[in-house]
Amino acid sequence: SQQGEEDPQALSIQEGENATMNCSYKTSINNLQWYRQNSGRGLVHLILIRSNEREKHSGRLRVTLDTSKKSSSLLITASRAADTASYFCAPAGGTSYGKLTFGQGTILTVHP
Amino acid sequence: DAGITQSPRHKVTETGTPVTLRCHQTENHRYMYWYRQDPGHGLRLIHYSYGVKDTDKGEVSDGYSVSRSKTEDFLLTLESATSSQTSVYFCAISESIGANEKLFFGSGTQLSVL
Repeated sequence: SQQGEEDPQALSIQEGENATMNCSYKTSINNLQWYRQNSGRGLVHLILIRSNEREKHSGRLRVTLDTSKKSSSLLITASRAADTASYFCAPAGGTSYGKLTFGQGTILTVHP
Repeated sequence: DAGITQSPRHKVTETGTPVTLRCHQTENHRYMYWYRQDPGHGLRLIHYSYGVKDTDKGEVSDGYSVSRSKTEDFLLTLESATSSQTSVYFCAISESIGANEKLFFGSGTQLSVL
């Protein structure tokens, strides 16, 4: 199964700034998902973008997908201290069909 | 956490002892998964289940077995625990796979093998 690789590994910003995280993957997908993990907790699903979509919004989240470059980005606008967490992407489909795997994630720290 | 209960939440055990972790769901979802999370490795899939008595291996299944006799319960067993199995274990469930698959995770079990 394939996993996404998130970049950067860590990101530190001030409250109110935007945070952008990137994900690259290797083979074809049906969809790509983003998850958040707060310290000591399980992952929480944030957003799913299908392979035929290029952009998707959910509240302060904006996800883009470029299947030609096999990459995705997650933008969090107007970050808050509560957004401090690890963020993971999960490409789904192909060899990952029904078996999502996750990389090491991006650790986002938002300073008040 | 979406009707998913993992037990125990913390466990300390000795090398060579058997350990069973339980995942219980109240969502009646068909698909269930066990992951382990370790620094430097992200989350890795251990075993998964597509239904009662229908299980298969993930990418790091050596040393682990699973059972699913009821829709709501998915058990992970370490037959003879080793120090390399010290990790945080997460159970996840999904209602479907494919275009709309979405995982819901439990709160995790911290396992220490001494």
